[in-house]
Amino acid sequence: KNEVEQSPQNLTAQEGEFITINCSYSVGISALHWLQQHPGGGIVSLFMLSSGKKKHGRLIATINIQEKHSSLHITASHPRDSAVYICAVSTSGTYKYIFGTGTRLKVLA
Amino acid sequence: EPEVTQTPSHQVTQMGQEVILRCVPISNHLYFYWYRQILGQKVEFLVSFYNNEISEKSEIFDDQFSVERPDGSNFTLKIRSTKLEDSAMYFCASSEALFWPHSYEQYFGPGTRLTVT
Repeated sequence: KNEVEQSPQNLTAQEGEFITINCSYSVGISALHWLQQHPGGGIVSLFMLSSGKKKHGRLIATINIQEKHSSLHITASHPRDSAVYICAVSTSGTYKYIFGTGTRLKVLA
Repeated sequence: EPEVTQTPSHQVTQMGQEVILRCVPISNHLYFYWYRQILGQKVEFLVSFYNNEISEKSEIFDDQFSVERPDGSNFTLKIRSTKLEDSAMYFCASSEALFWPHSYEQYFGPGTRLTVT
């Protein structure tokens, strides 16, 4: 069983739509990370969360520690948001990241 | 802005050959990592390195893998005798690792695509 599960696996949206990507985890964590991977392969960190909510531009990330669940929201989506969005966790007592399988987002103009 | 760099961007090698993948972490970072991503699969942890020694490794990181920090800037991953199943994208990452939790955020390099034929 995967320790980090994401849904949906694939998502197609029209430009301007509000998008939500979900992440559930089954291990004790010290932090949760949302990352973006573009077709070229590079991985960029979007958020690091240990509680509550963070916002950066049109991106919002929330975490519910009790429910072991996090969401990434994109408001007013744009074709340039098309990428793979990955949830990863740092578990208690270790600094490595455990990755989810990613959500492939395509935003159509 | 400081970034993690990796060379080469693409390496093609024959089965059984040794390869060395190179990474230059961000200069004031203390913790270094290697991950791999087989095509179409999720990113997997290989090894973490701190204070000139391995701090954690995964089951994937068997005796054919080794890591080294040969000088003050480079961090290398060596695969001794490559197999077809080693074909993947290999990512290096580093973190500052001074104050928990923020400085343990990892910064990733662009990756090296390894193709074993």
